[in-house]
Amino acid sequence: EVQLVESGGGLVQPGGSLRLSCAVSGFTISGYDMHWVRQATGKGLQWVSTLAFAGDTYYRVSVRGRFTISREDAKNSLHLQMDSLTAGDTAVYYCVRSSGKSDAFDIWGQGTLVTVSS
Amino acid sequence: SFALTQPPSLSVSPGQTATIPCSGDKLGDKFVCWYQQRPGQSPVLIISQNTKRPSGVPERFSGSISGNTATLTITETQALDEADYYCHSWDTTTGAVFGGGTKLTVL
Repeated sequence: EVQLVESGGGLVQPGGSLRLSCAVSGFTISGYDMHWVRQATGKGLQWVSTLAFAGDTYYRVSVRGRFTISREDAKNSLHLQMDSLTAGDTAVYYCVRSSGKSDAFDIWGQGTLVTVSS
Repeated sequence: SFALTQPPSLSVSPGQTATIPCSGDKLGDKFVCWYQQRPGQSPVLIISQNTKRPSGVPERFSGSISGNTATLTITETQALDEADYYCHSWDTTTGAVFGGGTKLTVL
């Protein structure tokens, strides 16, 4: 069964760091583009970052230089290192798969909640 | 930067047709996807590459594109179709972009 399971969310103070992980089963992560998409409570979907299967990375402007996307092929896992967090980063973060960066996001995880607050 | 615009809400009576537009600059040169998100759940892909319906998605759901506007059409709308719907595309400068979402109410 194809499944994405996020973990690592929680409460963090402004300026702090958090590392999200996405455990993948049912397919090999290195053969797909993988993404992080977030959604603040009551708001819409917002793309955060993409790691293409070839290794190139993409970030939305507001997180560039603060967030780092990576993957761990041996564990078939995706990660998102988030530094210098602000209240604006508070959201549910979804791990998502696509066949290419401009292709449909066909598999979504259940999400992990990140709350940035003092 | 590239942006996609959707109406924030839409109401339809059961059995009627719901039409949700999504507009963006030069959208006709890109692929558009649509997602359904029910309350408390993760988004689900319902239309890819403008018009393709993934396996398991009812035929009542269809997508089209004309000029700079993509459209999601739901025929014979049912109560279980009540959800938020998002369009999505990729821009080489901005990255992945989602529309603001349309809350569909079936009443």
